Amino acid sequence: GNSVTQMEGPVTLSEEAFLTINCTYTATGYPSLFWYVQYPGEGLQLLLKATKADDKGSNKGFEATYRKETTSFHLEKGSVQVSDSAVYFCALGHGSSNTGKLIFGQGTTLQVKP
Amino acid sequence: EAGVAQSPRYKIIEKRQSVAFWCNPISGHATLYWYQQILGQGPKLLIQFQNNGVVDDSQLPKDRFSAERLKGVDSTLKIQPAKLEDSAVYLCASSRPTGSVGTQYFGPGTRLTVL
Repeated sequence: GNSVTQMEGPVTLSEEAFLTINCTYTATGYPSLFWYVQYPGEGLQLLLKATKADDKGSNKGFEATYRKETTSFHLEKGSVQVSDSAVYFCALGHGSSNTGKLIFGQGTTLQVKP
Repeated sequence: EAGVAQSPRYKIIEKRQSVAFWCNPISGHATLYWYQQILGQGPKLLIQFQNNGVVDDSQLPKDRFSAERLKGVDSTLKIQPAKLEDSAVYLCASSRPTGSVGTQYFGPGTRLTVL
């Protein structure tokens, strides 16, 4: 069945360091891929998405490229800030062309120290 | 626009008691989801509604969980009777069909503790 695997956390970085959070998936067909973020005390919110192979999603300095050949959607940011401390979830979406349920990875906690 | 609203935010009950959670999606969003997020795990879909019809409830423990979405707007998720392993955050999300896989907007969640 469809599944998502993320790197184990927590990930602890110093401010301005480079961030990579690995995400790989198993799916039939052509899913859409998402990164959601959960800041402390807040609900899940969409960070970025990509709907087809080789697409790059980007937002707030974060990027992820949909790699079908390696079934991956790694999240990257060139220079993290303390405010980026949060839990990051990789997810894949399937189903109808309009909406489909999301299958989430287990989440990766990022801690950025000043 | 107003976001997805959920209540209560926190609930503590004893095992074998019943509990209900309420969700009001973003206005105009036809699709509503309930997810269960156990501590340290990603959210897992329990049930998906399209307007007031069920699209997917394959992972809903139907012997104790039930959900309804009357009039295709608000939704209620009920657990009866609760078990210790039901302790989790229950997330409601909604989305609007856009011609592609729609972005889901999440509410703040209800944290349930079963003692």
